[in-house]
Amino acid sequence: DAGITQSPRHKVTETGTPVTLRCHQTENHRYMYWYRQDPGHGLRLIHYSYGVKDTDKGEVSDGYSVSRSKTEDFLLTLESATSSQTSVYFCAIRRDRGNEQYFGPGTRLTVT
Amino acid sequence: GDSVTQMEGPVTLSEEAFLTINCTYTATGYPSLFWYVQYPGEGLQLLLKATKADDKGSNKGFEATYRKETTSFHLEKGSVQVSDSAVYFCALNTGNQFYFGTGTSLTVIP
Repeated sequence: DAGITQSPRHKVTETGTPVTLRCHQTENHRYMYWYRQDPGHGLRLIHYSYGVKDTDKGEVSDGYSVSRSKTEDFLLTLESATSSQTSVYFCAIRRDRGNEQYFGPGTRLTVT
Repeated sequence: GDSVTQMEGPVTLSEEAFLTINCTYTATGYPSLFWYVQYPGEGLQLLLKATKADDKGSNKGFEATYRKETTSFHLEKGSVQVSDSAVYFCALNTGNQFYFGTGTSLTVIP
């Protein structure tokens, strides 16, 4: 499982509040990714990181920001949560050798 | 842009039936191709991969062959089991990004 954990695993929050999701890895992989999963859309990339302080946007980055101050942690922040951000969020790493991804267990976020 | 299209589900099969889930892709360059499986309440797990044309990925009785001429990577299994019930995702990698299909739900009935 590449030692990936996500916290929290479940969260309910109100519209307009900021929310931060955490992804933690234990194997020092350079690349980390945040996706959201919604019915009928598969997985869509929000942001990814290719090193400490190095990040880039994905296809659905509006309303989200990320930070990576150390190799093992990649944080996703919803600056002001909206109901359209209700989703399941997955973090993934890409192994430095080979190019497959490994996923965390997911965070189910509900914005009321 | 790069993208993956996979067959719509849901798919329901009887145990020991033959499985095919179609996947086609659009990509510039030479992508790597993957199949992932997701069980209820869990993250995606890598099932198999292929990194160049004519490669065959295989794992747990599942197979897929990278066909550049037809831009396809169809997933097959000769005899499905109830435990194979899950959602299957086709994906491709080019550069730093990965692109996923919308997923195909498979239910296998005894």
